[in-house]
Amino acid sequence: DAGVIQSPRHEVTEMGQEVTLRCKPISGHNSLFWYRQTMMRGLELLIYFNNNVPIDDSGMPEDRFSAKMPNASFSTLKIQPSEPRDSAVYFCASNRQGHQPQHFGDGTRLSIL
Amino acid sequence: GENVEQHPSTLSVQEGDSAVIKCTYSDSASNYFPWYKQELGKRPQLIIDIRSNVGEKKDQRIAVTLNKTAKHFSLHITETQPEDSAVYFCASTTSGSRLTFGEGTQLTVNP
Repeated sequence: DAGVIQSPRHEVTEMGQEVTLRCKPISGHNSLFWYRQTMMRGLELLIYFNNNVPIDDSGMPEDRFSAKMPNASFSTLKIQPSEPRDSAVYFCASNRQGHQPQHFGDGTRLSIL
Repeated sequence: GENVEQHPSTLSVQEGDSAVIKCTYSDSASNYFPWYKQELGKRPQLIIDIRSNVGEKKDQRIAVTLNKTAKHFSLHITETQPEDSAVYFCASTTSGSRLTFGEGTQLTVNP
């Protein structure tokens, strides 16, 4: 079984550029989570979806961040414009709503220069 | 909202010794408590979990205990090995969906 698939694995770009991170949840999972991990702040939940609908986006740091889930098998996290402080590892995770555990993707290591 | 505190932030043990990591949670309605292991540069992976109707669960060298009255749960690793070196995260949830994570414990097992 394929796990949660994220792309790209690594992204290096200059500040001010738009960044798009992608996630494909495990087939049959209808809850999807975006996390950001840094040394200073640990593992932070940014936003999560149930059945493609955003449920809680209170962790999204500011308006430069947006996330969408156009269908059950795809989600994007966009940063526009990007800033150096956005540098982090971004994880996507999924599960069946109300069922544990959450399964994590391999993450995207983002570096904003 | 739920708050999870994890201690210690770093733990160093000798190979073969036991390691214990503790977490406390704030919401008495929390009913599921997973532990994730994250090796350097890799994704968090579930190693063991426990539900609120159980006080202890064991899987080979790993065990988790839950004290609902005190609202804390602990991870116990016995006979530690160098490959146990990683960051360990506890978490809790009430909704069965969204997890609240602790800040992590860097475990180092010295050969």
